[in-house]
Amino acid sequence: EIVMTQSPATLSVSPGETVTLSCRASQTFRNNLAWFQQKPGQAPRLLIYRASTRATGVPVRFSGSGSGTAFTLTISGLQSEDLAVYYCQQYNNWPLTFGGGTKVE
Amino acid sequence: EVRLVESGGAVVQPGGSLRLSCAASGFKFDDNAILWVRQRPGQGLEWVCLITWDGRGTYYGDSVRGRFIISRDNTRDSVSLQMDSLTPDDTAVYYCARGEEETTTLIDYWGQGTLVTVSS
Repeated sequence: EIVMTQSPATLSVSPGETVTLSCRASQTFRNNLAWFQQKPGQAPRLLIYRASTRATGVPVRFSGSGSGTAFTLTISGLQSEDLAVYYCQQYNNWPLTFGGGTKVE
Repeated sequence: EVRLVESGGAVVQPGGSLRLSCAASGFKFDDNAILWVRQRPGQGLEWVCLITWDGRGTYYGDSVRGRFIISRDNTRDSVSLQMDSLTPDDTAVYYCARGEEETTTLIDYWGQGTLVTVSS
């Protein structure tokens, strides 16, 4: 099983800041890595897939990068509506696995 | 508009069974795999299972294999999750999700979830 580890667990930020979230995998895999955003009381929403491709309708301030075992989600110029929990997920190997999440508050 | 609507969540006793349903609309249902993902209260996301577009392939996480069965009816655009031998550890919001057409394990849409509580 590929274990996904996210850091930090919580990030305190101010609007306008650039935020970097980290996701590390326990073993290398092809770049089938997704990022999801989950706001309180809502279902998750796909932001990024294939490590760096924005999903339809996702603002350009969200960007993903990385390969191998180290991946990053960057939010450039954070807006108040971006306050949420962010999860990374590898969808390359069984079982599909998620990171524990980073709460951006 | 892609819609996935879960139903069937309830309070059930340990050792009991429950069947969840997911009704899909807004897309050609038999083009996509369907997944279930759960989220325990206050916790992160855990993949539960996946069924391929034609129902011939099913995959399960270790924590549910042998207790849960996923199935689909492409004539009714619906997926079911039969859950047996439930324990308090199965208490969670269960989300139905769509696998992307090209890469079936990539989740591109989620339902709003249904709450399952296992408690005596």
